[in-house]
Amino acid sequence: AQRVTQPEKLLSVFKGAPVELKCNYSYSGSPELFWYVQYSRQRLQLLLRHISRESIKGFTADLNKGETSFHLKKPFAQEEDSAMYYCALAGNTDKLIFGTGTRLQVFP
Amino acid sequence: NAGVMQNPRHLVRRRGQEARLRCSPMKGHSHVYWYRQLPEEGLKFMVYLQKENIIDESGMPKERFSAEFPKEGPSILRIQQVVRGDSAAYFCASSLEDSNTEAFFGQGTRLTVV
Repeated sequence: AQRVTQPEKLLSVFKGAPVELKCNYSYSGSPELFWYVQYSRQRLQLLLRHISRESIKGFTADLNKGETSFHLKKPFAQEEDSAMYYCALAGNTDKLIFGTGTRLQVFP
Repeated sequence: NAGVMQNPRHLVRRRGQEARLRCSPMKGHSHVYWYRQLPEEGLKFMVYLQKENIIDESGMPKERFSAEFPKEGPSILRIQQVVRGDSAAYFCASSLEDSNTEAFFGQGTRLTVV
């Protein structure tokens, strides 16, 4: 079964601190993994995807097939990073399966 | 391109009434997805449609819920005889054909059943 687990509902850090939002997945094939972000009062939008291997707004995520993880990282958090972050997996039917989300709060 | 448009943004229904939620995908997108977000929970997949076809409805409740994406016009998520437990935010997303599933989301419809 396809499943995405985000163990933390809330992650609070101070500005400038490193951030790691955890995501683990369960999927028998080769998954495509994504991070979506929802800023306050805005629609959900794609932050990054593992196949592009890019850094967006200072965030990176590496797919670790051995640990079935796709953690989102940023070395120095900014206040404007405060948002809801969702990890998502696309399997062979193309539908996106989302985790329950982690709310990131960055304090000044 | 106005993006994915959902209407209404807010919908209030009494128990037993019908709720119709509309989603106009981005121009050129032929795939539509509906998700439900209950309070304090994440996005739960409901249904995946292409034009005139339901591809995957494994997340749809067996009764009272239906979805369509006609050849012309928006996708409709229909909830008959609403109950309090249907109160949630319903999000629609669309993607291009063969897009490796990069999905663009609407702003959602918040349904409140009173």
